[in-house]
Amino acid sequence: DGGITQSPKYLFRKEGQNVTLSCEQNLNHDAMYWYRQDPGQGLRLIYYSQIVNDFQKGDIAEGYSVSREKKESFPLTVTSAQKNPTAFYLCASSFGLGNEQFFGPGTRLTVL
Amino acid sequence: RKEVEQDPGPFNVPEGATVAFNCTYSNSASQSFFWYRQDCRKEPKLLMSVYSSGNEDGRFTAQLNRASQYISLLIRDSKLSDSATYLCVVTADKLIFGTGTRLQVFP
Repeated sequence: DGGITQSPKYLFRKEGQNVTLSCEQNLNHDAMYWYRQDPGQGLRLIYYSQIVNDFQKGDIAEGYSVSREKKESFPLTVTSAQKNPTAFYLCASSFGLGNEQFFGPGTRLTVL
Repeated sequence: RKEVEQDPGPFNVPEGATVAFNCTYSNSASQSFFWYRQDCRKEPKLLMSVYSSGNEDGRFTAQLNRASQYISLLIRDSKLSDSATYLCVVTADKLIFGTGTRLQVFP
């Protein structure tokens, strides 16, 4: 089945630790995205990538890093520099920047 | 002014009612428009694209008004299962998501 997967579904981290969230897609999409959603809030764009080995900062990139070494994969690292990391993280992909996006099931990160 | 604005709601409607949401956008160069549905604690899912001439998918009708820069979503014969948050999405060079309108359908 084609789709986009994220793991893990729930993640707990101690303050001061870096953590990497996984995002994989087999839809042959060129573009991939990371969003953050806080309770009762809209989606905020963290990073996006149009093509392998290239990515751009979104609206709230501080404290996050990404890589795009393969077309299928776009992992997100939440670093200790991110002041309020507890949130719902959503990965998405699309054929191009202006096309409809398809979302993974999300990772719920809690910092203890 | 926000790039995409939606009334957050909630809209509380009885089963069988017709309900409509509007969404305004600020960039007149916007080219593509979508409605997404997001259930509580789940990921957004594409509900429908919005075409210039308007389009319908079962009980759902989407319309675009370029002159006034808004799109709308009409839901007829509301079901309990329609309860969700509806996100308006507009693209120019990239997708911009609205913060969503919450719909609660009651028996």
